[in-house]
Amino acid sequence: EPEVTQTPSHQVTQMGQEVILRCVPISNHLYFYWYRQILGQKVEFLVSFYNNEISEKSEIFDDQFSVERPDGSNFTLKIRSTKLEDSAMYFCASRASFISFSPLHFGNGTRLTVT
Amino acid sequence: KNEVEQSPQNLTAQEGEFITINCSYSVGISALHWLQQHPGGGIVSLFMLSSGKKKHGRLIATINIQEKHSSLHITASHPRDSAVYICAVRSPYSGGGADGLTFGKGTHLIIQP
Repeated sequence: EPEVTQTPSHQVTQMGQEVILRCVPISNHLYFYWYRQILGQKVEFLVSFYNNEISEKSEIFDDQFSVERPDGSNFTLKIRSTKLEDSAMYFCASRASFISFSPLHFGNGTRLTVT
Repeated sequence: KNEVEQSPQNLTAQEGEFITINCSYSVGISALHWLQQHPGGGIVSLFMLSSGKKKHGRLIATINIQEKHSSLHITASHPRDSAVYICAVRSPYSGGGADGLTFGKGTHLIIQP
């Protein structure tokens, strides 16, 4: 069964550094998402992406964050200058279409640790 | 903004027991997801429903749109069912955008042999 893949599984970076989290969504999917989960807290929506642009973003997704689909297969989340509070598990997800009953597929996540 | 509440927060049961996890939300939705998160952190989608009931193996999910409530049931529970079960809703008012999701805090389920 096709799946969403995320790399790396764990990333450690120093505060102030830039990080890029990578995701390869399922190949025929059109809608892409990033979520994050701070340790011990609930999962939170960051951003949705369709047709090469952001369709929705949350208050968390400030100017330090950006997303890109550089080559038609990868979907990346960039954090320009990481802060300690960016430490979290970041999940990528994709969906084939916008209709309500189109299921969402999650990747296994990238655990980001900012020191 | 949609508020998603799950109960119980923690549940420990014996193998074979019938398990029920509840989810309620405050604003009308277009879809509700039940997700399973294992200790390693990965999330698996179990069900997506907008009405009625769905069954997959030993798992059953129901939703009552009028009451803004959903339940996830596990029949003949097994230690491998131990995980965090998360309810997430999709609505224009969810705070997750029109297509983003708002998540509950999850229910930590432990099934003892």
